[in-house]
Amino acid sequence: FQLRQSGPGLVMTSQSLSLTCALLGDGVSSNSAAWNWIRQSPSRGLEWLGRTYYRSKWYYDYSMSVKSRMTIEPDPSKNHVYLHLKSVTPEDTAIYYCARTGVPGVENWFDPWGQGTQVTVSP
Amino acid sequence: SYVLTQPPSVSVAPGQTATITCGGNNIGRKSVHWYQQKPGQAPVLVMYFDDHRPSGIPERFSGSNSGNTATLTIRRAEVGDEADYYCQVWDRTTEHDFGTGTKLTVL
Repeated sequence: FQLRQSGPGLVMTSQSLSLTCALLGDGVSSNSAAWNWIRQSPSRGLEWLGRTYYRSKWYYDYSMSVKSRMTIEPDPSKNHVYLHLKSVTPEDTAIYYCARTGVPGVENWFDPWGQGTQVTVSP
Repeated sequence: SYVLTQPPSVSVAPGQTATITCGGNNIGRKSVHWYQQKPGQAPVLVMYFDDHRPSGIPERFSGSNSGNTATLTIRRAEVGDEADYYCQVWDRTTEHDFGTGTKLTVL
């Protein structure tokens, strides 16, 4: 099972960032998985951003640090999960990862991870 | 957020035992997970639920968690174990929190 990421490496300040996470070997609508976005930067370390999961309907949880600017969008037709982050600033410069967790509140470890996407926000 | 404190660096000689700690308030009441990250690569899960090894992780890796400290132990350390190691917990109110990371050097 793999997660394969894609998306732009450079975004201008105040613009929006969109990244794609393609699921290879599991379904985005799985009843036993959640799909997360995490970022890593020298100043903030590893930071969980949010997740989506399907249990008869879609659920979304976001970190308070990005909640007002971030949307996670599942696309069952393509088996993709998207991250949308608006109004970016240089503080959003980081490596972004998608990662799988299991049952929310129970299986809370991240495995596997996508390969990561370096995103630089230009002033 | 829930603060997880790790030593910035740990050094061991090949063949010796490396101990990496993760401190947090009453962390023994939480489940701790550990990740290994080599330069230019994504993190890889090496321990979950304190002391459970995923398939493919050598038996040399073990974990424990009690009181205010969780520990990842690597016996018979190898040069190939050199990496950054991160602990992680989940909390109902703060969701996922990661430790500050420890750079393991084997030389």
